[in-house]
Amino acid sequence: GAVVSQHPSWVICKSGTSVKIECRSLDFQATTMFWYRQFPKQSLMLMATSNEGSKATYEQGVEKDKFLINHASLTLSTLTVTSAHPEDSSFYICSAPPRGDTQYFGPGTRLTVL
Amino acid sequence: GENVEQHPSTLSVQEGDSAVIKCTYSDSASNYFPWYKQELGKGPQLIIDIRSNVGEKKDQRIAVTLNKTAKHFSLHITETQPEDSAVYFCAASQLRAGNQFYFGTGTSLTVIP
Repeated sequence: GAVVSQHPSWVICKSGTSVKIECRSLDFQATTMFWYRQFPKQSLMLMATSNEGSKATYEQGVEKDKFLINHASLTLSTLTVTSAHPEDSSFYICSAPPRGDTQYFGPGTRLTVL
Repeated sequence: GENVEQHPSTLSVQEGDSAVIKCTYSDSASNYFPWYKQELGKGPQLIIDIRSNVGEKKDQRIAVTLNKTAKHFSLHITETQPEDSAVYFCAASQLRAGNQFYFGTGTSLTVIP
């Protein structure tokens, strides 16, 4: 199957700082990537769809100015949590579909905001 | 929009027994149904999928069945092993480029040695 990586795997930051999470497709190109948020023992919540070369599409209730998404190349999408607060602490996961195929997920990034 | 329901939320089985997880979907236009396994602290991993032109698919100890008329699909794991313990998610989608997946709420499976 296709491989998707995320970096960092975990991050701890102080309240008010910004954190950038990278999502890379290692062996395929992806014009679209998806960003999810997952709370403990809950399902995946789609936050936004990242589109290469254009603006991301955000789901209802997700603040676009809070969660900045950039899809600058066919293999890289970044999610920046701006002015992070403790309530932003969560597990963030990206996914990418090769050529409209099924979605392959990254390993996730655990964000803890102190 | 699509709505996917998944049952049960937790499931415990003895090692060697079978486990069955069921999902229903609402949108008849959905044509692709993957199942993911998520271990603690990791991203979901695709374990099996089925498309709407097929009624059943099997891969070793794992099988998926689809009933398009009733809009439900199921994951069957036979001869369960402790390493099968994880959270399993079903999903439904209209498989095409850029289309989102709609996930079930997950089933926490525990296989008791």
